[in-house]
Amino acid sequence: AQSVSQHNHHVILSEAASLELGCNYSYGGTVNLFWYVQYPGQHLQLLLKYFSGDPLVKGIKGFEAEFIKSKFSFNLRKPSVQWSDTAEYFCAVNAVNNAGNMLTFGGGTRLMVKP
Amino acid sequence: GAVVSQHPSWVICKSGTSVKIECRSLDFQATTMFWYRQFPKQSLMLMATSNEGSKATYEQGVEKDKFLINHASLTLSTLTVTSAHPEDSSFYICSARDRTRGAYEQYFGPGTRLTVT
Repeated sequence: AQSVSQHNHHVILSEAASLELGCNYSYGGTVNLFWYVQYPGQHLQLLLKYFSGDPLVKGIKGFEAEFIKSKFSFNLRKPSVQWSDTAEYFCAVNAVNNAGNMLTFGGGTRLMVKP
Repeated sequence: GAVVSQHPSWVICKSGTSVKIECRSLDFQATTMFWYRQFPKQSLMLMATSNEGSKATYEQGVEKDKFLINHASLTLSTLTVTSAHPEDSSFYICSARDRTRGAYEQYFGPGTRLTVT
């Protein structure tokens, strides 16, 4: 079974700082990778996803993530964060051969951006 | 597009009563819906996978007799928490897969906060 680790539980940054959130997964086969964001009081929204092709994927709101297969990683980045990026971020993995196509979520990273 | 709604958004009930939560895909047909549970400051944990017209598949440790799932149509799945207890208080989130948009992407509802007193 696959598992997902997000090593940063809480991150506090000042506006304009650069962001990198780590995500590692354990599964030896082909995976689909996702980053979701949950703003305070709101539901999960998809930031970006990787299915195949260019391992550097760009999502909404200036976010990007790089899939490094050799490291089983899919880290999320943003060059300059804004106060409105304050939210919780979840990495999720779907094993392609999983008949149920279920998503496994990481523990989440709570980001606070100070104005 | 790909909007998922949940009703109610929050509910308070007394211990021993049952609560039904609805999950609807508003602008697409969802052959598969998923039910998650999220405890405060924790991640989402999959409870069950619901396929239209068939029985739900429950994850290990989830009591199927306590969490009844019905997926009667392509746009509606319901989760009934039976004989609720305070430890069932949590945030319940559903998601739905749009079969026309590929097999791997899920769209999430806004969640239902259940408090059992």
